[in-house]
Amino acid sequence: RKEVEQDPGPFNVPEGATVAFNCTYSNSASQSFFWYRQDCRKEPKLLMSVYSSGNEDGRFTAQLNRASQYISLLIRDSKLSDSATYLCVVNEDGNQFYFGTGTSLTVIP
Amino acid sequence: DGGITQSPKYLFRKEGQNVTLSCEQNLNHDAMYWYRQDPGQGLRLIYYSQIVNDFQKGDIAEGYSVSREKKESFPLTVTSAQKNPTAFYLCASSGTSGSWNTQYFGPGTRLTVL
Repeated sequence: RKEVEQDPGPFNVPEGATVAFNCTYSNSASQSFFWYRQDCRKEPKLLMSVYSSGNEDGRFTAQLNRASQYISLLIRDSKLSDSATYLCVVNEDGNQFYFGTGTSLTVIP
Repeated sequence: DGGITQSPKYLFRKEGQNVTLSCEQNLNHDAMYWYRQDPGQGLRLIYYSQIVNDFQKGDIAEGYSVSREKKESFPLTVTSAQKNPTAFYLCASSGTSGSWNTQYFGPGTRLTVL
């Protein structure tokens, strides 16, 4: 059983499209949730934390559904520069972080 | 600038050799982590440390060793016992207060066994 599961994609979308990624987690006691972005052959970088009330940062919206144990990331008005792998990350106990395998996004001109 | 540094960026090793990967942070974080990433796969935890002079094994600790003698440093040694060490190694750090601790990553070291 994987702690965090994501659809690996790939998602290929045209510029300007809206795309959504989902991620499920297995431990209902998980405390904090994050989306990271990883470019090819680079380190993961924090995109945004995911709060219970949902949060938005420009074109990016993250939501958490504790009852169903999933988190989502919505990207509006996709840009070529959004092409990357998006990692879902869950922190269960304040110590260890559990990573999904990532969802690959390619934005096509 | 605050951040995490890893060196070297690229490392080539002959079979049977031990190599040590460096990780330094100046974020004043208590916790530090080592992950391994293979092509097309997610991050797997090798070791982590919540405090100086203490560390715990992660999911794939066999063939690796670490030390945490200073808060800002967490070197990883890849020993000859690690059967398939070619991978991308990532070091990360985080705070330990509260439940919304965020991990920050260094730029990584690519290790290739020749």
